[in-house]
Amino acid sequence: GAGVSQSPSNKVTEKGKDVELRCDPISGHTALYWYRQSLGQGLEFLIYFQGNSAPDKSGLPSDRFSAERTGGSVSTLTIQRTQQEDSAVYLCASSLGTTKYEQYFGPGTRLTVT
Amino acid sequence: KNEVEQSPQNLTAQEGEFITINCSYSVGISALHWLQQHPGGGIVSLFMLSSGKKKHGRLIATINIQEKHSSLHITASHPRDSAVYICAVPLIIQGAQKLVFGQGTRLTINP
Repeated sequence: GAGVSQSPSNKVTEKGKDVELRCDPISGHTALYWYRQSLGQGLEFLIYFQGNSAPDKSGLPSDRFSAERTGGSVSTLTIQRTQQEDSAVYLCASSLGTTKYEQYFGPGTRLTVT
Repeated sequence: KNEVEQSPQNLTAQEGEFITINCSYSVGISALHWLQQHPGGGIVSLFMLSSGKKKHGRLIATINIQEKHSSLHITASHPRDSAVYICAVPLIIQGAQKLVFGQGTRLTINP
């Protein structure tokens, strides 16, 4: 079956522009996670969805970042007024449920802000 | 001190060598993940384990919950094993497992 997919795979944008990153989780997976890996840095948690709700937004680095999930499936991570420090690989993962289920990762979106 | 620490940070070995990567953590967990990240950036989940040992092909992962320590072993290493290996532990927050990641071990296997 299909794994987690993300689009675009690469995105180059100018500083100050808005970008939208998309994640299609594995069908039937109720939990969806966004992570970020900045150049030379480790992975960091951004936000988590259970169904369409996001009970934990603690990892979003600023109010320029927002995410939504509709229909319990596709999720969009939006970054407004992008800054150069937003350049990173944005990874999405999904799992069947929470707490004890393995997370399956997508291929990531490499965002470069010039 | 990081909640998840890996060692070594970098490891270079010759093809065929036995590889060990270690992960220590300071938080209580229900399971631990080992992930592999290739140069292109994509991440693959290798193992999720909560006790004992798991084996997939040439990869073996062990965990000691009491000592809060896990190891990833690669037998008969091959250049295609070259990647960054990351251990991650889930913190259960508001009903979800939020993964906390180690800094990764960059493995290079030379032919």
